[in-house]
Amino acid sequence: QKEVEQNSGPLSVPEGAIASLNCTYSDRGSQSFFWYRQYSGKSPELIMFIYSNGDKEDGRFTAQLNKASQYVSLLIRDSQPSDSATYLCAAGVNDYKLSFGAGTTVTVRA
Amino acid sequence: GAVVSQHPSWVICKSGTSVKIECRSLDFQATTMFWYRQFPKQSLMLMATSNEGSKATYEQGVEKDKFLINHASLTLSTLTVTSAHPEDSSFYICSANGQNNQPQHFGDGTRLSIL
Repeated sequence: QKEVEQNSGPLSVPEGAIASLNCTYSDRGSQSFFWYRQYSGKSPELIMFIYSNGDKEDGRFTAQLNKASQYVSLLIRDSQPSDSATYLCAAGVNDYKLSFGAGTTVTVRA
Repeated sequence: GAVVSQHPSWVICKSGTSVKIECRSLDFQATTMFWYRQFPKQSLMLMATSNEGSKATYEQGVEKDKFLINHASLTLSTLTVTSAHPEDSSFYICSANGQNNQPQHFGDGTRLSIL
């Protein structure tokens, strides 16, 4: 079983819609959770991190964490073509090592 | 925000060559740096954890004698791919953790092509 699992997609949404990305993790010792965006041929860029149960909002992005269900999600509101990328979910343990999911590819249709 | 600089961004060389990749933290001291490898259409795979002033910790299956890591200062870690072969061709990315549990930030990556 992979430590962090994501739907590979691709997830296609129309411009202006909400894109919903899901992630589950297996290590209950994970304490920190991250969403990175990676454009093709580029390195990952941190867009959100969350440590506590509940929601965290930053602009058009909302991360949701449910530790009991070992579930993390990312909502992208008012999706733009520039949001088209692969989104990587990562879970961290005490020594800051991150386990990455395989990524979900999002395509926003203009 | 935190900036991590990685150099070079692209390397093409002959089989058998050793290649050194540098990772620098530009505006913070990085006690820990990480080296990842990413093959096309796959996720990031952690290769090793680099700690300033001590030996790197390698992940299972990663040859420490082939992928030499040196973290001699709080702002610089280097990865040397020794005697590189075509199967070592990949996208190598470093990241750094600052102090106080700051999230990891990635360098721009180094695309290594071995002919």
